[in-house]
Amino acid sequence: SAVISQKPSRDICQRGTSLTIQCQVDSQVTMMFWYRQQPGQSLTLIATANQGSEATYESGFVIDKFPISRPNLTFSTLTVSNMSPEDSSIYLCSGYGANEKLFFGSGTQLSVL
Amino acid sequence: QKEVEQNSGPLSVPEGAIASLNCTYSDRGSQSFFWYRQYSGKSPELIMFIYSNGDKEDGRFTAQLNKASQYVSLLIRDSQPSDSATYLCAVATSGGSYIPTFGRGTSLIVHP
Repeated sequence: SAVISQKPSRDICQRGTSLTIQCQVDSQVTMMFWYRQQPGQSLTLIATANQGSEATYESGFVIDKFPISRPNLTFSTLTVSNMSPEDSSIYLCSGYGANEKLFFGSGTQLSVL
Repeated sequence: QKEVEQNSGPLSVPEGAIASLNCTYSDRGSQSFFWYRQYSGKSPELIMFIYSNGDKEDGRFTAQLNKASQYVSLLIRDSQPSDSATYLCAVATSGGSYIPTFGRGTSLIVHP
């Protein structure tokens, strides 16, 4: 199984600031996915990040608000910009490991005051 | 719009019983099917992966896939209180994307 290290595990941020979440994978992963999970809800896909190209964003998510970096096949970052309380959520990165199994990072619990 | 449907529950079963969780999906081209267990405040943990019709067993867990009827189920035998969690069903389609779609999850409560 792939191991995805995600940090920070949690943060409390002030309105209007930005937070960058990092995910490091222990093996090369072609596609990485960033999800948001609000309390009591399922996972909502924010974007798909491929190495060497711009991320593909889902409806309702834009690059200015959630810029994504994917400099190589083992690393990706998601920035939550100009935060508001509505951005309070759990953010998760994921990627396919061997045998096409989808694994998740440990998650980042974000609270915006 | 690809959809994955799950009964939100909660599903309550006594310890030692079989818990049966169901998931239906709309995209007939779906090829990979996942079951995740998620404890409150934690990230999803992959417990089963299936891509062929039929049953796949791993310990106390059995995944059942029926592509003709577009459903995938998860059976948990000898349920334990530690199995109490939310179970997420996810479906992915090949063709270059493999972007997974998740259901809303079923809450399972195993009571002693």
